[in-house]
Amino acid sequence: DGGITQSPKYLFRKEGQNVTLSCEQNLNHDAMYWYRQDPGQGLRLIYYSQIVNDFQKGDIAEGYSVSREKKESFPLTVTSAQKNPTAFYLCASSSYDQPQHFGDGTRLSIL
Amino acid sequence: RKEVEQDPGPFNVPEGATVAFNCTYSNSASQSFFWYRQDCRKEPKLLMSVYSSGNEDGRFTAQLNRASQYISLLIRDSKLSDSATYLCVVRGNTGFQKLVFGTGTRLLVSP
Repeated sequence: DGGITQSPKYLFRKEGQNVTLSCEQNLNHDAMYWYRQDPGQGLRLIYYSQIVNDFQKGDIAEGYSVSREKKESFPLTVTSAQKNPTAFYLCASSSYDQPQHFGDGTRLSIL
Repeated sequence: RKEVEQDPGPFNVPEGATVAFNCTYSNSASQSFFWYRQDCRKEPKLLMSVYSSGNEDGRFTAQLNRASQYISLLIRDSKLSDSATYLCVVRGNTGFQKLVFGTGTRLLVSP
Protein backbone atom coordinates (compact mmCIF):
# COMPACT_ATOMS: atom_id res chain seq x y z
CA ASP A 1 0.00 0.00 0.00
CA GLY A 2 1.27 3.48 -0.82
CA GLY A 3 1.42 5.93 2.00
CA ILE A 4 3.28 7.90 4.60
CA THR A 5 4.52 6.13 7.70
CA GLN A 6 5.44 7.95 10.87
CA SER A 7 7.03 6.34 13.88
CA PRO A 8 6.80 6.05 16.74
CA LYS A 9 3.18 6.84 17.44
CA TYR A 10 4.01 8.06 20.95
CA LEU A 11 7.34 9.38 22.21
CA PHE A 12 8.54 10.68 25.53
CA ARG A 13 11.45 13.01 25.92
CA LYS A 14 13.57 13.57 28.98
CA GLU A 15 15.12 16.91 29.88
CA GLY A 16 18.16 17.70 27.74
CA GLN A 17 17.50 14.84 25.35
CA ASN A 18 17.31 14.95 21.57
CA VAL A 19 14.72 12.70 19.98
CA THR A 20 14.17 11.80 16.33
CA LEU A 21 10.82 11.27 14.65
CA SER A 22 10.75 9.10 11.56
CA CYS A 23 8.81 9.81 8.36
CA GLU A 24 8.91 7.53 5.33
CA GLN A 25 6.85 7.72 2.14
CA ASN A 26 6.55 5.35 -0.80
CA LEU A 27 4.45 7.67 -2.94
CA ASN A 28 7.44 8.89 -4.97
CA HIS A 29 6.68 12.45 -3.85
CA ASP A 30 9.41 15.04 -4.23
CA ALA A 31 8.30 17.33 -1.43
CA MET A 32 8.05 16.48 2.25
CA TYR A 33 7.00 18.59 5.23
CA TRP A 34 6.93 18.61 9.00
CA TYR A 35 4.17 20.32 10.95
CA ARG A 36 3.41 20.77 14.58
CA GLN A 37 -0.14 20.94 15.96
CA ASP A 38 -0.97 22.26 19.41
CA PRO A 39 -4.45 22.08 20.96
CA GLY A 40 -6.76 24.74 19.53
CA GLN A 41 -4.19 25.86 16.99
CA GLY A 42 -3.73 25.32 13.30
CA LEU A 43 -0.86 23.31 11.90
CA ARG A 44 2.41 25.21 11.83
CA LEU A 45 5.22 24.43 9.41
CA ILE A 46 8.54 23.44 10.96
CA TYR A 47 10.67 22.41 7.96
CA TYR A 48 10.12 21.40 4.38
CA SER A 49 12.12 19.78 1.62
CA GLN A 50 11.41 20.03 -2.08
CA ILE A 51 14.21 17.76 -3.21
CA VAL A 52 16.79 15.36 -1.85
CA ASN A 53 19.68 17.00 0.01
CA ASP A 54 17.85 20.29 0.29
CA PHE A 55 15.51 21.61 2.97
CA GLN A 56 14.22 24.95 4.19
CA LYS A 57 13.07 26.38 7.49
CA GLY A 58 9.40 26.88 7.99
CA ASP A 59 7.71 29.24 10.42
CA ILE A 60 8.85 27.61 13.67
CA ALA A 61 12.19 25.88 12.93
CA GLU A 62 14.00 26.88 16.12
CA GLY A 63 14.91 23.86 18.23
CA TYR A 64 14.41 21.40 15.37
CA SER A 65 16.65 19.87 12.69
CA VAL A 66 16.01 17.69 9.65
CA SER A 67 17.85 15.78 6.94
CA ARG A 68 16.82 14.58 3.49
CA GLU A 69 19.37 12.04 2.36
CA LYS A 70 16.83 9.90 0.52
CA LYS A 71 13.70 10.83 -1.38
CA GLU A 72 11.62 8.50 0.78
CA SER A 73 12.78 9.72 4.17
CA PHE A 74 12.59 13.02 6.08
CA PRO A 75 13.41 12.53 9.78
CA LEU A 76 12.86 15.32 12.28
CA THR A 77 15.04 15.77 15.36
CA VAL A 78 13.59 17.65 18.30
CA THR A 79 16.60 19.02 20.11
CA SER A 80 17.01 20.00 23.74
CA ALA A 81 16.86 23.62 22.56
CA GLN A 82 13.15 23.18 21.88
CA LYS A 83 11.75 24.19 25.27
CA ASN A 84 8.14 23.33 24.61
CA PRO A 85 8.21 20.15 22.53
CA THR A 86 4.92 18.64 23.68
CA ALA A 87 2.72 18.52 20.58
CA PHE A 88 1.31 16.38 17.79
CA TYR A 89 3.86 16.16 14.96
CA LEU A 90 2.64 15.53 11.44
CA CYS A 91 4.66 14.66 8.37
CA ALA A 92 3.25 15.26 4.90
CA SER A 93 4.33 14.78 1.32
CA SER A 94 3.18 15.92 -2.09
CA SER A 95 3.93 15.98 -5.76
CA TYR A 96 4.37 19.36 -7.36
CA ASP A 97 1.16 21.39 -7.35
CA GLN A 98 -0.86 18.63 -5.68
CA PRO A 99 -2.45 18.66 -2.22
CA GLN A 100 -0.41 17.36 0.66
CA HIS A 101 -1.15 14.02 2.30
CA PHE A 102 -0.31 13.30 5.90
CA GLY A 103 1.09 10.46 7.95
CA ASP A 104 -0.80 9.47 11.08
CA GLY A 105 1.39 11.54 13.37
CA THR A 106 3.63 11.23 16.42
CA ARG A 107 2.59 12.49 19.85
CA LEU A 108 5.57 13.81 21.79
CA SER A 109 5.43 14.44 25.52
CA ILE A 110 7.94 15.45 28.16
CA LEU A 111 8.76 13.07 31.00
CA ARG B 1 -5.30 39.26 11.63
CA LYS B 2 -4.83 35.55 11.03
CA GLU B 3 -4.08 34.47 7.48
CA VAL B 4 -6.93 31.98 7.54
CA GLU B 5 -9.86 32.42 9.90
CA GLN B 6 -12.60 29.99 10.79
CA ASP B 7 -15.37 29.91 13.34
CA PRO B 8 -14.20 27.22 15.79
CA GLY B 9 -17.77 26.09 16.54
CA PRO B 10 -18.86 23.58 17.62
CA PHE B 11 -21.74 23.34 15.22
CA ASN B 12 -24.27 20.94 16.72
CA VAL B 13 -26.71 19.59 14.14
CA PRO B 14 -29.11 16.65 13.96
CA GLU B 15 -28.67 13.85 11.45
CA GLY B 16 -30.03 14.81 8.06
CA ALA B 17 -29.44 18.53 8.53
CA THR B 18 -27.63 20.79 6.12
CA VAL B 19 -24.74 22.74 7.58
CA ALA B 20 -22.38 25.32 6.11
CA PHE B 21 -18.98 26.56 7.21
CA ASN B 22 -17.21 29.66 6.03
CA CYS B 23 -13.56 30.55 6.05
CA THR B 24 -11.86 33.84 5.20
CA TYR B 25 -8.29 34.35 4.03
CA SER B 26 -6.19 37.49 4.03
CA ASN B 27 -3.73 36.92 1.16
CA SER B 28 -5.46 38.03 -2.02
CA ALA B 29 -2.73 36.34 -4.08
CA SER B 30 -3.63 32.89 -2.75
CA GLN B 31 -3.89 30.35 -5.51
CA SER B 32 -5.25 27.10 -4.18
CA PHE B 33 -7.82 26.21 -1.59
CA PHE B 34 -8.72 23.00 0.17
CA TRP B 35 -10.92 21.55 2.85
CA TYR B 36 -9.37 18.90 5.05
CA ARG B 37 -11.16 16.80 7.63
CA GLN B 38 -9.52 15.91 10.94
CA ASP B 39 -10.95 13.39 13.36
CA CYS B 40 -10.08 13.63 17.03
CA ARG B 41 -6.38 12.80 17.60
CA LYS B 42 -5.90 11.80 13.98
CA GLU B 43 -4.12 13.28 10.98
CA PRO B 44 -5.89 15.69 8.60
CA LYS B 45 -7.26 14.05 5.46
CA LEU B 46 -8.02 15.86 2.24
CA LEU B 47 -11.77 16.23 1.82
CA MET B 48 -11.80 18.25 -1.38
CA SER B 49 -10.05 20.92 -3.35
CA VAL B 50 -12.00 24.12 -3.98
CA TYR B 51 -12.21 25.38 -7.54
CA SER B 52 -13.14 28.86 -8.73
CA SER B 53 -16.36 27.67 -10.30
CA GLY B 54 -17.38 25.75 -7.20
CA ASN B 55 -17.42 22.00 -7.00
CA GLU B 56 -19.43 19.17 -5.55
CA ASP B 57 -18.52 15.74 -4.28
CA GLY B 58 -21.55 13.78 -3.20
CA ARG B 59 -23.08 15.54 -0.21
CA PHE B 60 -20.29 18.10 -0.05
CA THR B 61 -20.20 21.37 -1.98
CA ALA B 62 -17.34 23.84 -1.89
CA GLN B 63 -17.48 27.43 -3.10
CA LEU B 64 -14.83 30.09 -3.55
CA ASN B 65 -15.47 33.82 -3.58
CA ARG B 66 -12.22 35.53 -4.57
CA ALA B 67 -13.66 39.04 -4.42
CA SER B 68 -14.64 38.62 -0.78
CA GLN B 69 -11.81 36.21 -0.02
CA TYR B 70 -13.87 33.49 1.50
CA ILE B 71 -14.39 29.79 1.00
CA SER B 72 -17.40 27.79 2.06
CA LEU B 73 -18.21 24.15 2.63
CA LEU B 74 -21.79 22.88 2.57
CA ILE B 75 -22.67 19.46 3.89
CA ARG B 76 -26.11 18.10 3.02
CA ASP B 77 -27.91 15.25 4.76
CA SER B 78 -25.43 15.15 7.64
CA LYS B 79 -24.37 11.74 8.91
CA LEU B 80 -23.10 10.84 12.36
CA SER B 81 -19.79 9.99 10.68
CA ASP B 82 -19.43 13.59 9.49
CA SER B 83 -18.61 14.60 13.07
CA ALA B 84 -15.07 15.95 12.88
CA THR B 85 -13.09 19.16 12.63
CA TYR B 86 -12.99 20.74 9.18
CA LEU B 87 -9.83 22.63 8.30
CA CYS B 88 -9.77 25.39 5.73
CA VAL B 89 -6.40 25.41 3.95
CA VAL B 90 -4.98 27.99 1.59
CA ARG B 91 -1.89 27.88 -0.60
CA GLY B 92 -0.07 31.06 -1.50
CA ASN B 93 1.41 32.11 -4.79
CA THR B 94 4.99 31.09 -4.12
CA GLY B 95 6.59 28.35 -6.17
CA PHE B 96 6.78 26.21 -3.08
CA GLN B 97 3.54 24.72 -1.82
CA LYS B 98 3.32 26.44 1.53
CA LEU B 99 -0.06 25.72 3.01
CA VAL B 100 -1.67 27.89 5.65
CA PHE B 101 -4.13 26.08 7.89
CA GLY B 102 -7.10 27.49 9.71
CA THR B 103 -7.67 26.29 13.24
CA GLY B 104 -10.71 24.34 12.14
CA THR B 105 -14.47 24.26 12.66
CA ARG B 106 -15.80 21.46 14.81
CA LEU B 107 -18.97 19.68 13.69
CA LEU B 108 -21.01 17.43 15.95
CA VAL B 109 -23.84 15.48 14.32
CA SER B 110 -26.27 13.93 16.76
CA PRO B 111 -28.90 11.19 16.29
